[in-house]
Amino acid sequence: KNEVEQSPQNLTAQEGEFITINCSYSVGISALHWLQQHPGGGIVSLFMLSSGKKKHGRLIATINIQEKHSSLHITASHPRDSAVYICAVDDQGAQKLVFGQGTRLTINP
Amino acid sequence: GAVVSQHPSWVICKSGTSVKIECRSLDFQATTMFWYRQFPKQSLMLMATSNEGSKATYEQGVEKDKFLINHASLTLSTLTVTSAHPEDSSFYICSASPSGYEQFFGPGTRLTVL
Repeated sequence: KNEVEQSPQNLTAQEGEFITINCSYSVGISALHWLQQHPGGGIVSLFMLSSGKKKHGRLIATINIQEKHSSLHITASHPRDSAVYICAVDDQGAQKLVFGQGTRLTINP
Repeated sequence: GAVVSQHPSWVICKSGTSVKIECRSLDFQATTMFWYRQFPKQSLMLMATSNEGSKATYEQGVEKDKFLINHASLTLSTLTVTSAHPEDSSFYICSASPSGYEQFFGPGTRLTVL
């Protein structure tokens, strides 16, 4: 079992839909990251969370430390949101980032 | 703020040659830089961690003599793939951290070895 599990692996939705991507982890962490990777490959850091909730534009990220679970939400989704979304955790024990396998999101117009 | 650049963004080379990839933090000083490799449709895999002025720490299975990492200043780290072979073709991504805590990612370098 991977230390970081994301679901779903693939998600296709219509423009305007509310999107939720989930991330569960099994290790002790100091922080959790949500990253966005577009088809060209470049990675953008969306959020770094250690507790609670953060919001940036149409993106919302939440984390529940006790349940070892985080969600990334996209409101009013748009085709330009199509990308791979990656959850990564700062593994306290290993002192390095551990990545989920990514969720490929496709938003159709 | 917190911009990380990589150069080149893509490179094609012949088997047996060496390729150098640069990673720069443009608006902050990076005490730590990380090098990752990503094969198609797979997660990023950490190759090595480098701290300015000291030797890089390589992950298990990564050949330090093949992937030479130099972190000579607080804004620049280089990864040199020596004697590249087709199996080294991959997407190489660096990240930089001002504090060892938050990481900022570069745009990546796509290496194709013919």
